[in-house]
Parts: sequence; structure tokens; C-alpha cells
Amino acid sequence: AQSVTQPDIHITVSEGASLELRCNYSYGATPYLFWYVQSPGQGLQLLLKYFSGDTLVQGIKGFEAEFKRSQSSFNLRKPSVHWSDAAEYFCAVGHMEYGNKLVFGAGTILRVKS
Amino acid sequence: NAGVTQTPKFRILKIGQSMTLQCAQDMNHNYMYWYRQDPGMGLKLIYYSVGAGITDKGEVPNGYNVSRSTTEDFPLRLELAAPSQTSVYFCATWAREAFFGQGTRLTVV
Repeated sequence: AQSVTQPDIHITVSEGASLELRCNYSYGATPYLFWYVQSPGQGLQLLLKYFSGDTLVQGIKGFEAEFKRSQSSFNLRKPSVHWSDAAEYFCAVGHMEYGNKLVFGAGTILRVKS
Repeated sequence: NAGVTQTPKFRILKIGQSMTLQCAQDMNHNYMYWYRQDPGMGLKLIYYSVGAGITDKGEVPNGYNVSRSTTEDFPLRLELAAPSQTSVYFCATWAREAFFGQGTRLTVV
């Protein structure tokens, strides 16, 4: 069965510090990979996506993610966090073979301290 | 383009009542999905559709029904609402990424 694990429920970082959010998946094929961000009471905004090719993906708001096939991971990074980055982050996987249905991780809540 | 539009945004239901959550898209996408989001659980797929007239169950379909008579609309029906259906519901379409509506916050009391 397909699954996504985000090991960290909460992460707190200082403003200006670097950030890495972890995502591991179990899937029948190399899936499409996504990171979404959700502010309280809001919908989901796509940060970045990976389908194939270069394993380092650049997204919006200064975020990037690296796909590591050998580790079944797709970790999200940002070199310098801003207070406005405080939100919940979701990793998701899917594939055309499975109807493009997205399987989501449980989410990581990011807190930024000044 | 409005994208994906969900109505209503908020609703309170009594146990045993029924309602329909509406989802409409103007992007002509074939794939449409209904997810529910519960705290600490991420999003779980309820039902999905790969085109008009075709629907299938997702991970958590019990207590829900869907129909897809047109490409644009994908309503989600709750029959006999239960407190366990208190959640935030998101409709989405797919075209190389998922496009989400703003959600419907449903409380069953």
C-alpha cells in the first residue's frame, strides 16, 4: 500500500535559520512528489513538484526539495526561514498508474520564533 | 477562471441530517477528487472521478456518495450525518498537479 511518512509533527526554528522537513514514502513505482503548504483556515498551496529529471527541485517562496530514490525521500529545505513561513506543510505522492490519486503525509507544523 | 469552487464554506448539521457539498471547476479537468482533512491525519481520499459518468471509492468512502454527470461538477453527498464526519472537506482537480478548492468546514452535532 502507498504511504507517506512525515516523521516530525512539529518543528520550531528561529527566524533566519535553515529548515529541513522530512518526507519518506512507500510506493509501487517512482511517484510524482509534491509539497503543499497550508496556513490556518486556508486551502493548500503548491510549493513544488517533481515528476522526473533533475532531482533538486526549486519551488516558490525560496523552497527547494531533493528527491533521493535510494532513500525514498523527498525532503523540503529552505536556507533562511521567515516568520511568514509558519504554517503546516504536507508531502504528497501520486502517479498516473493509480489514477493520480494523491496520498498525503500527516503534515508537519512549522513554528518560527523571533 | 474561478478554478475550483466549493460551497458552502461552513455548515453545521444535526446528527441524521443529510446534505450535499458542491464542487465546480471551470478548467475542463477530467480528474476530480474529494478529500477530508482531520487534525494530525493529513488528507484522506473519499471518492474520485476520472471523467463524467465514472466514479470510484477512495480510502474512506463510508457514509458518502458522489455523482459526476458533467465534467464541471462533482457533488459529495452525506446521508445520515454522524459526528465522525465533522471535518474539513476539500475538492480538487488534477492536471500535472492538484488544484484545490478553499474547503468546506462541516460540523455535525
